[in-house]
Amino acid sequence: DQQVKQNSPSLSVQEGRISILNCDYTNSMFDYFLWYKKYPAEGPTFLISISSIKDKNEDGRFTVFLNKSAKHLSLHIVPSQPGDSAVYFCAASDTGTASKLTFGTGTRLQVTL
Amino acid sequence: KAGVTQTPRYLIKTRGQQVTLSCSPISGHRSVSWYQQTPGQGLQFLFEYFSETQRNKGNFPGRFSGRQFSNSRSEMNVSTLELGDSALYLCASSKGSFKHSTGELFFGEGSRLTVL
Repeated sequence: DQQVKQNSPSLSVQEGRISILNCDYTNSMFDYFLWYKKYPAEGPTFLISISSIKDKNEDGRFTVFLNKSAKHLSLHIVPSQPGDSAVYFCAASDTGTASKLTFGTGTRLQVTL
Repeated sequence: KAGVTQTPRYLIKTRGQQVTLSCSPISGHRSVSWYQQTPGQGLQFLFEYFSETQRNKGNFPGRFSGRQFSNSRSEMNVSTLELGDSALYLCASSKGSFKHSTGELFFGEGSRLTVL
C-alpha cells in the first residue's frame, strides 16, 4: 500500500520555465512533508519541507504547496535550471520522530536547454 | 564537516549468504536510520536507532536487523539473502529529536547490494 504517491515518473521542462512536481498521500496522520533531491550515485539531499499547519513554504526558487483537504502537495521550481535535473522524492511523516519517513517513488526531472 | 559514510559502496553476494553494512553518521548526530531503495518502490524505511536502541522499525522480515554502537556508528545485517534483497541501502543520520525541526535527514551515498 503506497501511502505517498508520485504518479509522474518523469518530467521534462525547458530551462527558465516552471517545474511542478506533484505528490499525493493517503494517510491523514501525516503532519510533516519534505522534498528530497537525488543525483545519480549520491544519497538524497533535503530540499524543502512544510508542516501541516501551513499551506505554503518558500525557499529561494523552491516553493512547496500543501492542500490538506485534497491530501496533495506540489513542489514548484522557478526558474528551472539544468542543475535541477535529478530525481525528486516526496516524503511524509506523522507525529513523532522525523527519522521515519514514508517516501514516494520519485519523479525524474530533466531540465533542457 | 564530514558527511555520512557508508561502507562498502558495492558488494555482490549469492543467495543464502549474509551481509553486514556499516554507517558512520555525522559527528554529533545520535540517530541513524536505514532505508532500502529499489526500482519502482522508492525508499522504504527499515529501522532507526537512537542512543544504541531501536526506536522505530519498518515492515521488513526479521532477516533484516541492525545495531548501533556507543559512538553512534551503526551496522545493518541481512541474513539468508534472497534475490529480492538486491537494492541500494541508504543510511541517514540526524540529531534525532522527537520534535520536528526541519525533519532533515542527511543521507550517505548508499551501499549497492547485488544478490546472485
